[in-house]
Amino acid sequence: GAGVSQSPSNKVTEKGKDVELRCDPISGHTALYWYRQSLGQGLEFLIYFQGNSAPDKSGLPSDRFSAERTGGSVSTLTIQRTQQEDSAVYLCASSSVQGSGTEAFFGQGTRLTVV
Amino acid sequence: DQQVKQNSPSLSVQEGRISILNCDYTNSMFDYFLWYKKYPAEGPTFLISISSIKDKNEDGRFTVFLNKSAKHLSLHIVPSQPGDSAVYFCAAKDDKIIFGKGTRLHILP
Repeated sequence: GAGVSQSPSNKVTEKGKDVELRCDPISGHTALYWYRQSLGQGLEFLIYFQGNSAPDKSGLPSDRFSAERTGGSVSTLTIQRTQQEDSAVYLCASSSVQGSGTEAFFGQGTRLTVV
Repeated sequence: DQQVKQNSPSLSVQEGRISILNCDYTNSMFDYFLWYKKYPAEGPTFLISISSIKDKNEDGRFTVFLNKSAKHLSLHIVPSQPGDSAVYFCAAKDDKIIFGKGTRLHILP
């Protein structure tokens, strides 16, 4: 597709369940980012993939959060044993080249609600 | 610690006047700075950027100024229009991109 695609657009889950959020980046983009935006908050960095390098996981808030990027394309963010504080909009972005000088393009986000 | 700070949560500006959004950063390794605009229920969209080797970049009604010694950048929008009402995020990049908390801009008729 032309842009970054995220699915589902909305997800309601019960506390304690696991969820998987999917991101399809722009074709050919080597860098992929996950952020989350909690109500009234800014964009919190979660994880960054760049090519075949080891991902930068420094923003993941707990070991319940993990992400994979298969074949350098699609990425899945998994949250295990969800908690109410995990409720947020999860945003994925991709960019074309490593290093400075290239903006990232965002998807529409997945709104996660943990009840 | 917040590496990118937007200290004004909101700003109201009269239509036609200049909007100035400010941003401070702490990491001197940042070498590229970006501004994004976000409407409700949409992902952020890229507006304008500036490399650390420059002090100004202009694109139509939008100009970004960078003061490296003060670790400060600002986005100027002139003239402000109703469609500019949105949340504006400042971001900085060394490897990954780090965002500020955003400033909500209201353009008043």
